[in-house]
Amino acid sequence: DTGVSQNPRHKITKRGQNVTFRCDPISEHNRLYWYRQTLGQGPEFLTYFQNEAQLEKSRLLSDRFSAERPKGSFSTLEIQRTEQGDSAMYLCASSMKPWLQTYNEQFFGPGTRLTVL
Amino acid sequence: TQLLEQSPQFLSIQEGENLTVYCNSSSVFSSLQWYRQEPGEGPVLLVTVVTGGEVKKLKRLTFQFGDARKDSSLHITAAQPGDTGLYLCAGTLYNFNKFYFGSGTKLNVKP
Repeated sequence: DTGVSQNPRHKITKRGQNVTFRCDPISEHNRLYWYRQTLGQGPEFLTYFQNEAQLEKSRLLSDRFSAERPKGSFSTLEIQRTEQGDSAMYLCASSMKPWLQTYNEQFFGPGTRLTVL
Repeated sequence: TQLLEQSPQFLSIQEGENLTVYCNSSSVFSSLQWYRQEPGEGPVLLVTVVTGGEVKKLKRLTFQFGDARKDSSLHITAAQPGDTGLYLCAGTLYNFNKFYFGSGTKLNVKP
């Protein structure tokens, strides 16, 4: 399977606990994006990486959220001291813009559904 | 405020009807993508439009990019229940770095 994979698919946790999600991008893709999506809405940008460098982080992202991509391959998103408002679908996407191509396309994983009780 | 505005927000139609979904902005995009998402799954890329005025067809789906590269539309002919889902548009500005998403159009096609 050469698509984007995310684990776990579902996570239920109690308020105040820490959670960590993993994303494995398409193998040759150098860019990796994290989004949060609430029911019926479009994805909301959280952060993105080019290789191992985190190039942008949303101002909406509190300091309880941290993301890493240590070797430029898989990435993890950690949420510390979860709150009920963190309940959402967390989506990962990856992309690779070929050198001579003038546009970028991203491909999504199936998402991780987080429920904070 | 969102960079991309989608309309309508909800659409419920009978099988066989035609429909159009709009994605508008005051910004100029280098490209626009359309995705379809089913409940509990990630968005699936349908098409990317790049050139102003471009029209692309994917079976019963027709995608158009505005001449000024600020808007796009998705037209579905003879909708089927299998077309039900959340349709999302997303665009990249000329720095290629980020994708800006619309809020989505939730389509329900009744048999």
